[in-house]
Amino acid sequence: NAGVTQTPKFQVLKTGQSMTLQCAQDMNHEYMSWYRQDPGMGLRLIHYSVGAGITDQGEVPNGYNVSRSTTEDFPLRLLSAAPSQTSVYFCASSYSLATETQYFGPGTRLLVL
Amino acid sequence: GEDVEQSLFLSVREGDSSVINCTYTDSSSTYLYWYKQEPGAGLQLLTYIFSNMDMKQDQRLTVLLNKKDKHLSLRIADTQTGDSAIYFCAHKMDTGRRALTFGSGTRLQVQP
Repeated sequence: NAGVTQTPKFQVLKTGQSMTLQCAQDMNHEYMSWYRQDPGMGLRLIHYSVGAGITDQGEVPNGYNVSRSTTEDFPLRLLSAAPSQTSVYFCASSYSLATETQYFGPGTRLLVL
Repeated sequence: GEDVEQSLFLSVREGDSSVINCTYTDSSSTYLYWYKQEPGAGLQLLTYIFSNMDMKQDQRLTVLLNKKDKHLSLRIADTQTGDSAIYFCAHKMDTGRRALTFGSGTRLQVQP
């Protein structure tokens, strides 16, 4: 198993540009989520999904969209990037109610100029 | 997460024990976790404890939970330079959301 994979590893955007951060898992996990990590603030939940076709907002959803058309993929879209979205983004997944372990991807470092 | 608090920095000498502390405010927390993040890497689950337990030991790691004081600690015995990393405390509440609330992380520096 590759686990949770994220692409790209690093991205530089100009203000107003759009992009999609990719996340995929090959563990057949129902639950997937996106966090952002900022210095001194830990990880904050952006959006999450409890299964294909189901998404919901987390703590800091503004400026981000998600979709879950398949169990494996959970892309995060920035429609119009802002400097405040400069951060490290982590995708995570977990199996189901039977387990409490979340598996994290290696992260995407985003810089918005 | 403002309802999970950790000290920012801890420095220890190699071979000593490290104790990283965490306090949380929500008494409905069901699972409490410790994650490790090495430079440039994602988060790695170290261990977790269910809220009806007081202690959990896993090799060099000991987790202590004081539910009354809402205090969680991670003790690393015989700390090694490879233990240098940021350690995050996190908890999950008993809801269907299954999302974690993280503390801001404690940077552990192990000096040779």
